[in-house]
Amino acid sequence: EVQVVESGGDLVQPGGSLRLSCAASGFTFTTYWMTWVRQAPGKGLEWVANIKEDGSEKNYVDSVKGRFTISRDNAKNSLYLQMSSLRAEDTAVYYCARGASDSDYWGQGTPVTVSS
Amino acid sequence: DIQMTQSPSSLSASVGDRVTITCRASQYINNWLAWYQQKPEKAPKSLIYAASSLQSGVPSRFSGSGSGTNFTLTISSLQPEDFATYYCQQYHNYPRTFGQGTKVEIK
Repeated sequence: EVQVVESGGDLVQPGGSLRLSCAASGFTFTTYWMTWVRQAPGKGLEWVANIKEDGSEKNYVDSVKGRFTISRDNAKNSLYLQMSSLRAEDTAVYYCARGASDSDYWGQGTPVTVSS
Repeated sequence: DIQMTQSPSSLSASVGDRVTITCRASQYINNWLAWYQQKPEKAPKSLIYAASSLQSGVPSRFSGSGSGTNFTLTISSLQPEDFATYYCQQYHNYPRTFGQGTKVEIK
């Protein structure tokens, strides 16, 4: 069974940093792009970033460029999102999803709250 | 960035109704479009990819059509479990972008 499970969400102060993790299982992780999508409270979905199978290509939405870094550890079947210089507008549930384009499997999400 | 516009933003329908949601892209995206269903406090679920291909396990009452800039999601006979919010997403360009969502409510 395909599973992706996020963790690492927390309450953090503006300007702070946080690292999200996503543990993948049930599929050959090394053959899939992976994606982060977020959803602010009461709002729609926003694509954040994705990363190629071998980590050689990464793409970001403009609003997080220079502040967020997507990475992966294929030996651990894990995806990460390092977030720094966090702002109130980064408050959201962050989802890990499989795929570069349409995402066929999603995790349950991990909440990030940026507030003082 | 490609802007995706869904209509309507919300609709009320009864069980058994035929429901159609439209999604318009601000520029040409060929058929690089996906549809997702999201229920409250749950993760999105993939329904359709490449504009009209049904994901495995998705009931056949769901269908997608369109190409270029205009797309539709149709539910042929609305079931109680279909009351949810639906999103379209383009994957022709970066950044990937979603429509604002269409909430399907019980009439």
